[in-house]
Order: sequence, then C-alpha cells, then structure tokens
Amino acid sequence: SQQGEEDPQALSIQEGENATMNCSYKTSINNLQWYRQNSGRGLVHLILIRSNEREKHSGRLRVTLDTSKKSSSLLITASRAADTASYFCAAPSNAGGTSYGKLTFGQGTILTVHP
Amino acid sequence: SAVISQKPSRDICQRGTSLTIQCQVDSQVTMMFWYRQQPGQSLTLIATANQGSEATYESGFVIDKFPISRPNLTFSTLTVSNMSPEDSSIYLCSVWSPWFGYTFGSGTRLTVV
Repeated sequence: SQQGEEDPQALSIQEGENATMNCSYKTSINNLQWYRQNSGRGLVHLILIRSNEREKHSGRLRVTLDTSKKSSSLLITASRAADTASYFCAAPSNAGGTSYGKLTFGQGTILTVHP
Repeated sequence: SAVISQKPSRDICQRGTSLTIQCQVDSQVTMMFWYRQQPGQSLTLIATANQGSEATYESGFVIDKFPISRPNLTFSTLTVSNMSPEDSSIYLCSVWSPWFGYTFGSGTRLTVV
C-alpha cells in the first residue's frame, strides 16, 4: 500500500498564485521527499526534509513536516506555467526507519498553472 | 547527482513478446530500483536490483514476469515478459548513493498492443 496520501489530487491555479499540496503518511519515517514529474517523464528531486526538521525552504518551495500528525505540505509560491506537473511525496520505507532504501510514494497531485 | 541513461525511452510492443529495459549509471551506486507507473497512477516498486544476485521483489511482482539483472554497480536491466496490454506503463529506474541520494531515469513508456 502507498505510504503517502496526497491531497488535493488535482489543483488548478493562475500564474502568480501559491499552490499548496499535502501529504500524509502512515509509519515512522527518517525523511520525506518531494518530487516533480513532467508529462509522465522521469522524476526530479525537489527537496528532502528530515524527521527532526519542521520546515525547509528552497527557492520558491517551502516544505513543512509535522511528525505528530504524520503529514507534510509543499508550498510553491508565485507559481509559473512551467510549474505545471505532477508532484509526489515519498519516504524510505525500509524497516527500522532508515534514511535510504526503497521509496514508497504518495498518490500525487496534478498541478496546472494557467498563464 | 548521478546521471542515468535509460533505454529505450518508449516502445510499442505486440502482446506475448518481451522487452528489456536498460539502466546505465555514470558512477557506482549502492542501490538500484525498478518502479512501474501505470497510467494516471503513482509509482509502485517492482524490485530492488542486487549486484550479482537475484533481485528482491515486492509483493505482486515475480521473477518470471519481471526478470532483473545487475551484473555490476553501474548497470541493470528489467525485462517485461510475455506482455499483455495491462503491462502498458512507464517503467523507471532509480538509484541511491550516500553521496547524492536518489536519482531517477527518464523512464520507458511501454505500450502493449
């Protein structure tokens, strides 16, 4: 079964607006990662947040992690048409909460940014 | 990050045939994985490719259907055998190294007709 559940499944916004995507997971994690996928191509790693971190920034991306609620959010500020893609959360799912290993992915959010 | 060359990028195959997908990495990596992404779905792990030994398959995936090889630390292949239209998916190679974390290949879009 999937480690992460993401919402919304689809998000449609105008350029310049902010986009927020949420991810919930079921088991303890060492870290949580966010990926982008353009048009069914390969995944691009966006950002990794460790279990002892609560917030992390990278350019226009802001990720939060709430381990008590087993949830994470990805905020893209000042969105652009080029941000149109699918976004996935993922976490290593090996027993023992290792920082690496096979990843289990959330269902993903399809983001459409209209120019 | 590592650079992955995954081939072919896409293929259209007849049912009953097999396709072998190659994943070549530009540096030695600790772990290699194969994922399947069915249309409109998320990624599901098929197996972890182990160097010099049999791959470790996830529940629902078997070696006869998805044989995997990993002869060294930079190369792996996934074969999709006896294909049916239900095998139409994107197949992705992924690697992990303690130096650069995770990297994904560009994927192989397979259509079975």
